[in-house]
Amino acid sequence: QSVLTQPPSASGTPGQRVTISCSGHSSNIGNNVVNWYQQLPGAAPKLLIFSNSQRPSGVPDRFSGSKSGTSASLAISGLQSEDEADYYCGTWDDSLNGRVFGGGTKLTVL
Amino acid sequence: QVQLVQSGAEVKKPGASVKVSCKASGYTFTSYGVSWVRQAPGQGLEWMGWISGYNGNTDYAQNLQDRVTMTIDTSTNTSYMELRSLRYDDTAVYYCARGSWHDSWGQGTLVTVSS
Repeated sequence: QSVLTQPPSASGTPGQRVTISCSGHSSNIGNNVVNWYQQLPGAAPKLLIFSNSQRPSGVPDRFSGSKSGTSASLAISGLQSEDEADYYCGTWDDSLNGRVFGGGTKLTVL
Repeated sequence: QVQLVQSGAEVKKPGASVKVSCKASGYTFTSYGVSWVRQAPGQGLEWMGWISGYNGNTDYAQNLQDRVTMTIDTSTNTSYMELRSLRYDDTAVYYCARGSWHDSWGQGTLVTVSS
């Protein structure tokens, strides 16, 4: 049971816009920045979004992040087949005094 | 470019210990910490802890703090994660990642606990 709640799966067709939610509490998302990670099949995770909405160099602007209260979202526009991956949100939890992740969302491009 | 290269796969018996290394290059090692994250087969990510590359201060996950030790060697830019009293459910891929935000990851080290 993960501290942060994500839907286990999401899907879309090429070109569509999909969003993935990440729900938490005041002790984690409500009081700290959120990062998003992309894990392609068989690969290590990769930082996709940091500090709620910032993209590292090299990440396409099709990926965007937002945060409101105790929830965060990752949006992917212009969906492409290579976006098929697992996506994780992560943040710090003040009560646990440690970093926590969501359970992950498997994105399927139909 | 930033690179984190981890040691190879390990097979251990229950009760044993494992030590995984993570050699960093392409950045100033002492300017960033190193986090350790594990992923059990078919499961999500679990944060294990963090060690400062500057002074070796550590922060461990509450559920692992009795069994895990993280260290650094600044002469070789290498971080180590040792997990003791291994159990079957410690079978996982273990990753090191740069900093608190994990902006660069190692390739992963599979640790299998099997009798």
